[in-house]
Order: sequence, then structure tokens, then C-alpha cells
Amino acid sequence: DQQVKQNSPSLSVQEGRISILNCDYTNSMFDYFLWYKKYPAEGPTFLISISSIKDKNEDGRFTVFLNKSAKHLSLHIVPSQPGDSAVYFCAAKSGNTPLVFGKGTRLSVIA
Amino acid sequence: EPEVTQTPSHQVTQMGQEVILRCVPISNHLYFYWYRQILGQKVEFLVSFYNNEISEKSEIFDDQFSVERPDGSNFTLKIRSTKLEDSAMYFCASSEGTGPYEQYFGPGTRLTVT
Repeated sequence: DQQVKQNSPSLSVQEGRISILNCDYTNSMFDYFLWYKKYPAEGPTFLISISSIKDKNEDGRFTVFLNKSAKHLSLHIVPSQPGDSAVYFCAAKSGNTPLVFGKGTRLSVIA
Repeated sequence: EPEVTQTPSHQVTQMGQEVILRCVPISNHLYFYWYRQILGQKVEFLVSFYNNEISEKSEIFDDQFSVERPDGSNFTLKIRSTKLEDSAMYFCASSEGTGPYEQYFGPGTRLTVT
């Protein structure tokens, strides 16, 4: 039962270009969405979040877009840097429920 | 910047042995969590803890698992009798509140059961 899906296991982008990571969800009760970044042998690092009452949240080079009707969110990184190379996890929750994670997308930013 | 810490970073144990994984959450956080990630799979929720009791647990968190906050800073996960399938990365997380609050994760403990 995949409530949160990241359909692209990997993505390669050139340095300086935009990286777009996608996430779909099936549970319409989800009201809070988060993106985490994970390097090998480290824990997930919180990047950015968005509440279901918004459709966009921006923090520096990172922007998250939420399309509730399509049950889709995306993370835009611009400009992409080599240090952004990591696995990116989308996660969602509903009220006080635990986080539900997607399987992750491995981003490679090529210099 | 405050962070969640976990010890040990790697634990190797034999099947049937008990293990205790330790975490120090961020000091002003009130909600604590354990997640695990089996190699190649997604991060899965195990248990949440608030006000000295379990607030929610998943199907994975059976009678072999227990959590405790033995003092004001540590948060522990005990696996009573480890199985091969318990081999995974175990992540502790904490948050200021529940609802729309970010959870901050520790670096993880790699548990290898042989």
C-alpha cells in the first residue's frame, strides 16, 4: 500500500540547471508534506515543508509546489549544485499521524 | 545548531540477543519517534512517544520491541530477541509538537543481526 509514491528512482541534472523531483500521494487526508535529503550513512535531513492550505513554499534555492487536486507535489532546486547530490524523500502526514515516506529519488548533479 | 544524536553508529549482534539503541533528542522537543529503513526499502515508522508513553505504533512494533525514556535526555529502543529480519538502519527523530511540525532525524544506527 504505497500512499506516497516517488516514481523516479533516479535523476541526473547538470550543475546550474533546475532539478525537479516529483511525488504523488493517494491519501486525501494528508495535510502536511515534507521533503528530506539523505546522504549515505546519515539520517534524513529536513529540507522544506508545505501545509495543504498552501500551494507553494519557497526557501532559498528550494521551492515546493503542491497540487491538491492532482495529489501531487514537487521539489524544485535551482540552481542545482554538486552538493545537492543525495537521495530525496517525500513524506506526508495527516494531523497527528506518523510520517509516511516515499521510496526516494537519487539526484546526481553533474559538474 | 541542536541535533538528534544516536549511539552506537553500528551494532552487530547474534540472532536471539537483546539490543538497546540509544538516542538523545533535541532538548526542547516533546515528541520522539523511531523509524527504520531496511536496505533498499523505504523509511518506515515504528513508534511515537509523548509524555512518557507510546502514542502510536505500527504493526512492525510487536512485543519484541519496547521504548523508554529512562532519564530527561535519553530515548531508547530495545529489541528483546533479535531476528535476522531486524537488520536495518534505525533512525530516531524528535519534534517540538505534533501536526504540522518538522521531525528532525538522527544519523541512525546500523543494526546487523547475524
